[in-house]
Amino acid sequence: DTAVSQTPKYLVTQMGNDKSIKCEQNLGHDTMYWYKQDSKKFLKIMFSYNNKELIINETVPNRFSPKSPDKAHLNLHINSLELGDSAVYFCASSQAASESQAFFGQGTRLTVV
Amino acid sequence: SQQGEEDPQALSIQEGENATMNCSYKTSINNLQWYRQNSGRGLVHLILIRSNEREKHSGRLRVTLDTSKKSSSLLITASRAADTASYFCATDGGGFKTIFGAGTRLFVKA
Repeated sequence: DTAVSQTPKYLVTQMGNDKSIKCEQNLGHDTMYWYKQDSKKFLKIMFSYNNKELIINETVPNRFSPKSPDKAHLNLHINSLELGDSAVYFCASSQAASESQAFFGQGTRLTVV
Repeated sequence: SQQGEEDPQALSIQEGENATMNCSYKTSINNLQWYRQNSGRGLVHLILIRSNEREKHSGRLRVTLDTSKKSSSLLITASRAADTASYFCATDGGGFKTIFGAGTRLFVKA
């Protein structure tokens, strides 16, 4: 059983399109995250949710809108995709925010053409 | 700005040798973690060291933490080809934020 699963694994789309990435964790964790990893492998936090509430939004353009229907899910919707959005997006979860280890999904490689 | 900075950016060693990676950070922390990322995969947690700890071991891994110098090191002893990966340090950014460094790419030659 995959602890943190995100879909799709690969996503190729044209500029201007709207796309969503889904994430689910079956660990019973309270906190979930979205990270963006660029081509230089730099991993940057985008959002952090705790008990379905947005805690952190790291100056991410408002074209990115996370949605957490319940504690186990944190989806990422991106409007009007731009070339610079191409990256690998990772979902993660942890039990007690930054006090404990985070479990990562396998990543979604987004390519905007 | 990013909290953790790893050094070196890349490291190539022979199988059986030890690999040492360093991490420096800027602000006070409650804990520091090390993660590994294999190519094309998600990050996997290796070890967490709290600010009141100086050294921690897990199998072939040894992590040290010097809060006075705001630095940590990860030592992998008797490296194997399977240890080839990128290694990231991560610090708690206060509350609900874990901040990652840029990573060290380790290549272990068989």
